[in-house]
Amino acid sequence: NAGVMQNPRHLVRRRGQEARLRCSPMKGHSHVYWYRQLPEEGLKFMVYLQKENIIDESGMPKERFSAEFPKEGPSILRIQQVVRGDSAAYFCASSLEGNGYTFGSGTRLTVV
Amino acid sequence: AQSVSQHNHHVILSEAASLELGCNYSYGGTVNLFWYVQYPGQHLQLLLKYFSGDPLVKGIKGFEAEFIKSKFSFNLRKPSVQWSDTAEYFCAVVSTGGGNKLTFGTGTQLKVEL
Repeated sequence: NAGVMQNPRHLVRRRGQEARLRCSPMKGHSHVYWYRQLPEEGLKFMVYLQKENIIDESGMPKERFSAEFPKEGPSILRIQQVVRGDSAAYFCASSLEGNGYTFGSGTRLTVV
Repeated sequence: AQSVSQHNHHVILSEAASLELGCNYSYGGTVNLFWYVQYPGQHLQLLLKYFSGDPLVKGIKGFEAEFIKSKFSFNLRKPSVQWSDTAEYFCAVVSTGGGNKLTFGTGTQLKVEL
């Protein structure tokens, strides 16, 4: 069981470009969560998805950010027109029924 | 809305000292509670969790935590820390009626000195 796989591990984007972060949940897990970690701020919930559905996006910025979890393939967190303030570590977690969470190694996004 | 407070942001201890990290949550319903550890440059790893039953929970690497419902607390303890425990520690809560999402505290950075 490969665990939660996130790629890329490191991503550098220039201001105004798009960033795509991928998350493959553990085998059999149908719940995916995205979190953002900023220095000194801990992890902030962004979005919770099940296959083909967004369950809770209360932590997502209203603009430029979107997430999907298609029937086939990984979950994607997409950030359009990145700005310096988007630089952070983005972690994905998956669970089977919502009571056991496994985290990926994260994607560290740097906007230059 | 549920929230989690970790009052110690930075803790420095000598090896063999005892550790207690505070965690309080605000939610009146049934909760599941977690402690995660993040070693430098790595992802979060689960230390221990509480769902129900014995409020004293034993985790990996000699850590334990006690759930005190009346105080809305879930403090993490270890009798004798090691240099390798240097890491950031996060308390998290999910309410059974809160849609399955984990809410994290801001974390405690622990540094253990030789």
